[in-house]
Amino acid sequence: NAGVMQNPRHLVRRRGQEARLRCSPMKGHSHVYWYRQLPEEGLKFMVYLQKENIIDESGMPKERFSAEFPKEGPSILRIQQVVRGDSAAYFCASSKTGVENIQYFGAGTRLSVL
Amino acid sequence: GEDVEQSLFLSVREGDSSVINCTYTDSSSTYLYWYKQEPGAGLQLLTYIFSNMDMKQDQRLTVLLNKKDKHLSLRIADTQTGDSAIYFCAEKETGANNLFFGTGTRLTVIP
Repeated sequence: NAGVMQNPRHLVRRRGQEARLRCSPMKGHSHVYWYRQLPEEGLKFMVYLQKENIIDESGMPKERFSAEFPKEGPSILRIQQVVRGDSAAYFCASSKTGVENIQYFGAGTRLSVL
Repeated sequence: GEDVEQSLFLSVREGDSSVINCTYTDSSSTYLYWYKQEPGAGLQLLTYIFSNMDMKQDQRLTVLLNKKDKHLSLRIADTQTGDSAIYFCAEKETGANNLFFGTGTRLTVIP
Protein backbone atom coordinates (compact mmCIF):
# COMPACT_ATOMS: atom_id res chain seq x y z
CA ASN A 1 0.00 0.00 0.00
CA ALA A 2 1.91 3.03 -1.27
CA GLY A 3 2.00 6.08 0.93
CA VAL A 4 1.61 9.68 -0.13
CA MET A 5 3.80 10.22 -3.17
CA GLN A 6 5.32 13.58 -3.97
CA ASN A 7 7.48 14.53 -6.90
CA PRO A 8 9.91 15.82 -7.62
CA ARG A 9 11.86 15.40 -4.38
CA HIS A 10 14.09 18.31 -5.23
CA LEU A 11 13.33 21.19 -7.57
CA VAL A 12 15.63 24.04 -8.54
CA ARG A 13 14.23 27.12 -10.22
CA ARG A 14 15.57 30.53 -11.14
CA ARG A 15 13.74 33.64 -10.02
CA GLY A 16 10.75 34.32 -12.24
CA GLN A 17 10.24 30.70 -13.34
CA GLU A 18 7.29 28.53 -12.47
CA ALA A 19 7.36 25.60 -10.04
CA ARG A 20 4.91 22.69 -10.20
CA LEU A 21 4.76 20.28 -7.29
CA ARG A 22 2.76 17.06 -7.53
CA CYS A 23 1.13 14.94 -4.87
CA SER A 24 -0.67 11.61 -5.16
CA PRO A 25 -2.62 10.76 -2.00
CA MET A 26 -2.69 7.39 -0.35
CA LYS A 27 -5.05 4.89 -1.92
CA GLY A 28 -8.57 5.44 -0.63
CA HIS A 29 -7.86 8.99 0.55
CA SER A 30 -9.86 11.81 -0.97
CA HIS A 31 -8.56 14.74 1.07
CA VAL A 32 -5.29 16.51 0.32
CA TYR A 33 -3.47 19.17 2.33
CA TRP A 34 -0.43 21.24 1.41
CA TYR A 35 1.96 22.61 4.03
CA ARG A 36 5.13 24.66 3.74
CA GLN A 37 8.16 24.31 6.00
CA LEU A 38 10.68 27.12 6.05
CA PRO A 39 14.18 26.30 7.34
CA GLU A 40 14.27 25.62 11.08
CA GLU A 41 10.51 26.09 11.40
CA GLY A 42 7.43 23.94 11.79
CA LEU A 43 4.95 23.26 9.06
CA LYS A 44 2.44 25.92 8.11
CA PHE A 45 -0.87 25.03 6.49
CA MET A 46 -1.48 26.35 3.00
CA VAL A 47 -4.52 24.72 1.41
CA TYR A 48 -6.97 21.85 1.79
CA LEU A 49 -8.61 20.20 -1.22
CA GLN A 50 -11.00 17.44 -2.05
CA LYS A 51 -11.47 16.12 -5.55
CA GLU A 52 -12.14 19.09 -7.87
CA ASN A 53 -12.77 21.44 -4.93
CA ILE A 54 -10.71 23.82 -2.85
CA ILE A 55 -12.18 23.62 0.64
CA ASP A 56 -9.88 25.91 2.60
CA GLU A 57 -7.12 28.10 1.18
CA SER A 58 -6.73 30.37 4.18
CA GLY A 59 -2.99 29.70 4.39
CA MET A 60 -2.23 30.28 0.75
CA PRO A 61 -0.47 33.49 -0.33
CA LYS A 62 -2.89 35.62 -2.32
CA GLU A 63 -0.67 35.97 -5.35
CA ARG A 64 1.39 33.57 -7.46
CA PHE A 65 0.24 30.41 -5.63
CA SER A 66 -2.53 28.10 -6.78
CA ALA A 67 -3.57 24.53 -6.12
CA GLU A 68 -5.81 22.00 -7.77
CA PHE A 69 -6.91 18.42 -7.26
CA PRO A 70 -8.51 17.25 -10.49
CA LYS A 71 -10.90 14.36 -10.86
CA GLU A 72 -8.10 12.30 -12.40
CA GLY A 73 -4.46 12.61 -11.49
CA PRO A 74 -2.43 14.10 -8.68
CA SER A 75 -2.92 17.32 -6.79
CA ILE A 76 -0.74 20.13 -8.10
CA LEU A 77 0.68 23.09 -6.19
CA ARG A 78 1.76 25.75 -8.64
CA ILE A 79 3.99 28.70 -7.84
CA GLN A 80 4.34 31.29 -10.57
CA GLN A 81 7.25 33.73 -10.89
CA VAL A 82 9.14 32.21 -7.99
CA VAL A 83 11.20 34.40 -5.67
CA ARG A 84 14.00 33.44 -3.26
CA GLY A 85 11.58 33.56 -0.33
CA ASP A 86 9.65 30.64 -1.85
CA SER A 87 12.61 28.35 -1.11
CA ALA A 88 11.25 25.81 1.36
CA ALA A 89 10.11 22.22 1.76
CA TYR A 90 6.55 21.69 0.59
CA PHE A 91 4.73 18.78 2.13
CA CYS A 92 1.54 17.14 1.03
CA ALA A 93 -0.66 15.11 3.36
CA SER A 94 -3.76 13.04 2.71
CA SER A 95 -6.56 11.68 4.84
CA LYS A 96 -9.74 9.70 4.62
CA THR A 97 -12.97 11.31 5.69
CA GLY A 98 -13.66 11.05 9.38
CA VAL A 99 -13.49 12.93 12.64
CA GLU A 100 -10.00 11.76 13.50
CA ASN A 101 -8.57 13.36 10.38
CA ILE A 102 -5.33 11.41 10.58
CA GLN A 103 -3.07 13.04 8.05
CA TYR A 104 -0.30 11.02 6.45
CA PHE A 105 2.55 12.96 4.93
CA GLY A 106 4.67 12.54 1.84
CA ALA A 107 8.44 12.95 1.79
CA GLY A 108 8.13 16.52 0.55
CA THR A 109 9.49 18.57 -2.33
CA ARG A 110 12.45 20.77 -1.53
CA LEU A 111 12.30 23.87 -3.69
CA SER A 112 15.40 25.97 -4.13
CA VAL A 113 15.14 29.29 -5.93
CA LEU A 114 18.40 30.65 -7.29
CA GLY B 1 -4.30 32.08 15.63
CA GLU B 2 -3.27 28.94 17.42
CA ASP B 3 0.10 28.83 19.17
CA VAL B 4 1.94 25.55 19.68
CA GLU B 5 5.29 25.74 21.44
CA GLN B 6 8.11 23.29 21.95
CA SER B 7 11.65 23.57 23.22
CA LEU B 8 14.12 23.43 20.36
CA PHE B 9 16.69 20.91 21.54
CA LEU B 10 16.97 17.84 23.75
CA SER B 11 19.97 15.55 24.28
CA VAL B 12 19.83 12.22 26.06
CA ARG B 13 22.11 9.24 26.48
CA GLU B 14 21.29 6.00 24.74
CA GLY B 15 19.14 3.82 26.98
CA ASP B 16 17.73 6.73 28.99
CA SER B 17 14.17 8.02 28.66
CA SER B 18 13.43 11.12 26.62
CA VAL B 19 10.60 13.49 27.44
CA ILE B 20 9.57 16.00 24.80
CA ASN B 21 7.14 18.70 25.88
CA CYS B 22 4.60 20.80 24.03
CA THR B 23 2.19 23.52 25.09
CA TYR B 24 -0.74 24.85 23.11
CA THR B 25 -3.20 27.67 23.56
CA ASP B 26 -6.46 26.54 21.99
CA SER B 27 -8.87 24.98 24.45
CA SER B 28 -11.01 23.56 21.63
CA SER B 29 -8.32 21.16 20.43
CA THR B 30 -9.81 17.80 19.62
CA TYR B 31 -6.79 15.70 18.61
CA LEU B 32 -3.11 16.10 19.37
CA TYR B 33 -0.41 14.38 17.39
CA TRP B 34 3.27 13.57 17.53
CA TYR B 35 5.19 13.33 14.28
CA LYS B 36 8.85 12.37 13.72
CA GLN B 37 10.97 13.87 10.96
CA GLU B 38 14.33 12.37 10.08
CA PRO B 39 16.86 14.41 8.07
CA GLY B 40 15.66 15.06 4.53
CA ALA B 41 12.52 13.02 5.04
CA GLY B 42 8.82 13.62 5.46
CA LEU B 43 6.82 13.43 8.65
CA GLN B 44 6.05 10.05 10.15
CA LEU B 45 3.00 9.87 12.39
CA LEU B 46 4.09 8.35 15.70
CA THR B 47 0.96 8.55 17.77
CA TYR B 48 -2.04 10.72 18.55
CA ILE B 49 -4.41 11.27 21.44
CA PHE B 50 -7.98 12.44 21.64
CA SER B 51 -8.54 15.39 23.93
CA ASN B 52 -10.78 13.46 26.33
CA MET B 53 -7.93 11.08 27.15
CA ASP B 54 -5.08 11.84 29.52
CA MET B 55 -2.68 9.06 28.60
CA LYS B 56 -1.91 6.74 25.73
CA GLN B 57 0.81 4.10 25.61
CA ASP B 58 2.17 2.40 22.52
CA GLN B 59 5.26 0.19 23.03
CA ARG B 60 8.12 2.57 23.95
CA LEU B 61 5.99 5.68 23.53
CA THR B 62 3.82 7.25 26.22
CA VAL B 63 1.75 10.36 25.58
CA LEU B 64 0.49 12.40 28.51
CA LEU B 65 -2.09 15.14 28.12
CA ASN B 66 -2.87 17.71 30.78
CA LYS B 67 -5.84 19.48 29.29
CA LYS B 68 -6.16 21.95 32.15
CA ASP B 69 -2.61 23.22 31.60
CA LYS B 70 -2.74 22.62 27.82
CA HIS B 71 0.41 20.56 28.06
CA LEU B 72 1.29 17.50 26.00
CA SER B 73 4.35 15.32 26.41
CA LEU B 74 5.91 12.41 24.59
CA ARG B 75 8.05 9.99 26.56
CA ILE B 76 10.33 7.62 24.69
CA ALA B 77 11.58 4.78 26.87
CA ASP B 78 15.01 3.20 26.29
CA THR B 79 15.96 5.82 23.72
CA GLN B 80 18.04 4.52 20.83
CA THR B 81 20.32 6.30 18.36
CA GLY B 82 17.70 5.67 15.69
CA ASP B 83 15.35 7.92 17.66
CA SER B 84 17.49 10.95 16.81
CA ALA B 85 15.21 13.20 14.77
CA ILE B 86 12.99 16.26 15.01
CA TYR B 87 9.72 15.66 16.84
CA PHE B 88 6.73 17.82 16.03
CA CYS B 89 3.70 18.31 18.18
CA ALA B 90 0.54 19.20 16.23
CA GLU B 91 -3.04 19.90 17.18
CA LYS B 92 -6.35 20.02 15.41
CA GLU B 93 -9.00 22.48 16.52
CA THR B 94 -12.67 21.72 16.55
CA GLY B 95 -14.09 22.43 13.12
CA ALA B 96 -10.71 23.04 11.52
CA ASN B 97 -9.38 21.03 8.62
CA ASN B 98 -5.69 21.62 9.09
CA LEU B 99 -3.13 20.88 11.76
CA PHE B 100 -1.19 23.48 13.70
CA PHE B 101 2.42 22.48 14.25
CA GLY B 102 4.99 23.43 16.82
CA THR B 103 8.48 24.40 15.72
CA GLY B 104 9.82 20.94 16.51
CA THR B 105 12.24 19.54 19.10
CA ARG B 106 15.52 18.20 17.80
CA LEU B 107 16.35 15.07 19.81
CA THR B 108 19.99 13.99 19.84
CA VAL B 109 20.81 10.59 21.30
CA ILE B 110 24.36 10.25 22.54
CA PRO B 111 25.80 6.72 22.27
